[in-house]
Amino acid sequence: DIQMTQSPSTLSASVGDRVTITCRASQNIGNWLAWYQQKPGKAPKVLIYKASSLESGVPSRFSGSGSGTEFTLTISSLQPDDFATFYCQQYYSHPETFGQGTKVEI
Amino acid sequence: QVQLVQSGAEVMKPGASVKVSCKASGYIFTNYGINWVRQAPGQGLEWMGWISTDNGNTNYAQKLQGRVTLTTDTSTNTAYMELRSLRSDDTAVYYCARGRYSSGSSYFDYWGQGTLDTVSS
Repeated sequence: DIQMTQSPSTLSASVGDRVTITCRASQNIGNWLAWYQQKPGKAPKVLIYKASSLESGVPSRFSGSGSGTEFTLTISSLQPDDFATFYCQQYYSHPETFGQGTKVEI
Repeated sequence: QVQLVQSGAEVMKPGASVKVSCKASGYIFTNYGINWVRQAPGQGLEWMGWISTDNGNTNYAQKLQGRVTLTTDTSTNTAYMELRSLRSDDTAVYYCARGRYSSGSSYFDYWGQGTLDTVSS
């Protein structure tokens, strides 16, 4: 199975901050990577697919980059609604695997 | 609009089975696969398996092989996940999620609301 490793596990930030989360794959996955946001008690919501494509309806302050084994999710200016846990997911092959999550807190 | 509506929470005893349903609406059911993902309390996301709603092909996570079965009923646009021989570490919120691509691995663009299944004696 492809292992996905996110860093940091927890991130403390303030409204307006630029935030970057990193995700590393244990092997080359091309650009077959998605990013999700999950709020407590809710299902995850896809933000980014194919490493850098913004899902319809997602604010443009979210962006993704990278390919191969190293990827980043950037929030250009953190908003109050953005405090949540973020997960990366590879879909290069079954089984799809997720990173362990990054909690963004105040 | 696309919706995936799951069945309600359940409490089961160790060794029992559970079957969770996921009713889809707002799109052509057989054009997209359905995946199942679970999340233990306070933990991350774990992919359980995928089913093609077109031909019934499945792919399961190796750790669940033999205990999980995914099925669909195309007459009602409903997907099902059955998990057998339940253990306490199967306690989790179970999600169905639509795969963006019709076959093979995919990212998940729509999710059900989640079903909390608790295994307790």
